[in-house]
Amino acid sequence: DAEITQSPRHKITETGRQVTLACHQTWNHNNMFWYRQDLGHGLRLIHYSYGVQDTNKGEVSDGYSVSRSNTEDLPLTLESAASSQTSVYFCASSRDTRTEAFFGQGTRLTVV
Amino acid sequence: QKEVEQNSGPLSVPEGAIASLNCTYSDRGSQSFFWYRQYSGKSPELIMFIYSNGDKEDGRFTAQLNKASQYVSLLIRDSQPSDSATYLCAVTRGGYQKVTFGIGTKLQVIP
Repeated sequence: DAEITQSPRHKITETGRQVTLACHQTWNHNNMFWYRQDLGHGLRLIHYSYGVQDTNKGEVSDGYSVSRSNTEDLPLTLESAASSQTSVYFCASSRDTRTEAFFGQGTRLTVV
Repeated sequence: QKEVEQNSGPLSVPEGAIASLNCTYSDRGSQSFFWYRQYSGKSPELIMFIYSNGDKEDGRFTAQLNKASQYVSLLIRDSQPSDSATYLCAVTRGGYQKVTFGIGTKLQVIP
């Protein structure tokens, strides 16, 4: 069955370190998204991609970067982790915006 | 003004009652509307989507859309304790490949 997976599921890192969260989907979807979810804010869009070599900034992109070298993967990199980036991160993919987005299981990141 | 607004709740309803969840949005150009359910510690999963004004029914769930008033609602009939979750309203605007989410309404169904 097609699926979308994130790794790691849990990560603790120190302030200032570079961290990469992986997202892999086998739906062959062109659209992929990264969100963070915080209490009181809901899901906020970090970056998104329409397809290979395409990346776009979302609502809260500062301190984050993504790259899209193939259809299946959209890794999210925190260039220099900050405590404010402690959050639950969700990756999602969709065929188009008139169909549902499928979410990964989430990654709980703690920056200490 | 937030693009998508929801009351965070919690909304408490007795088992068997109708739960009514509401969402308003600010962008009149919005064209697609989604309701996601999220259990605690889990990822969001799609419950329903609606594109046209009116009602759309799927089992115990009914989505209602009123574009003139810019609101979308989700009714859950015969609420069950297993419906206890946070319900996220999501909105997209045609031509933009992204979805904007509300903060979600926490629903508690009391046995």
